[in-house]
Amino acid sequence: EVQLLESGGGLVQPGGSLRLSCAASGFTFMNYAMNWVRQAPGEGLEWVSIISGDGATTFHANSVQGRFTISRDNSQNTLYLQMNSLSVEDTAVYYCAKAPGGGDWALEHWGQGTLVTVSS
Amino acid sequence: QLVVTQSPSASASLGASVKLTCSRSGGHNSYAIVWHQQLPEKGPRYLMRLNSDGSHSKGDGIPGRFSGSRSGTEGYLTISNLQSGDEGDYYCQTWDAGILVFGSGTKVTVL
Repeated sequence: EVQLLESGGGLVQPGGSLRLSCAASGFTFMNYAMNWVRQAPGEGLEWVSIISGDGATTFHANSVQGRFTISRDNSQNTLYLQMNSLSVEDTAVYYCAKAPGGGDWALEHWGQGTLVTVSS
Repeated sequence: QLVVTQSPSASASLGASVKLTCSRSGGHNSYAIVWHQQLPEKGPRYLMRLNSDGSHSKGDGIPGRFSGSRSGTEGYLTISNLQSGDEGDYYCQTWDAGILVFGSGTKVTVL
């Protein structure tokens, strides 16, 4: 059974940094692209970032480009999101999601999410 | 520029059917349209994918009451025999070179 378990969320001040993690199990992690998706309170889903199975290719949404970095450790089956220069607009539940990769970005499994609150 | 459009709301009576529409414009139409369900206070759940060649596949454990089809740049999700537990938000998702986009979601209400 595929399981994705996010952690690392919490309260951070504007301008601060936070690193999220997503522990994966139940599938061959290195064979799949991984994503971060966020949802601000009362809002819809917003894609944040994607990373290829080998970690060589990444894409970020314009809203986080230059501030967020997606990475992965295939030896630990773990996905990361380093978030810097956080603003109140980054307050959201952050989900990790698995995609087939190889140009196929269908999000076929989701984690339960971790809440990030940016506030002074 | 890739744009994904959904109607904001849909409703139908208990036991009836409701059909949701997702339209993509811009970019290449060769990529799949994917449907996700989000029930109140829950995370998203993958429902199905609708491929550009008309084929489709559903996620594990998705009931047969959920079906989908595709016609060109539009994807459809039909929920038959609507249940109270189906109330929630339904998002479609697609992608193009370097970008993944969600529709704004359709809120389904069971009357």
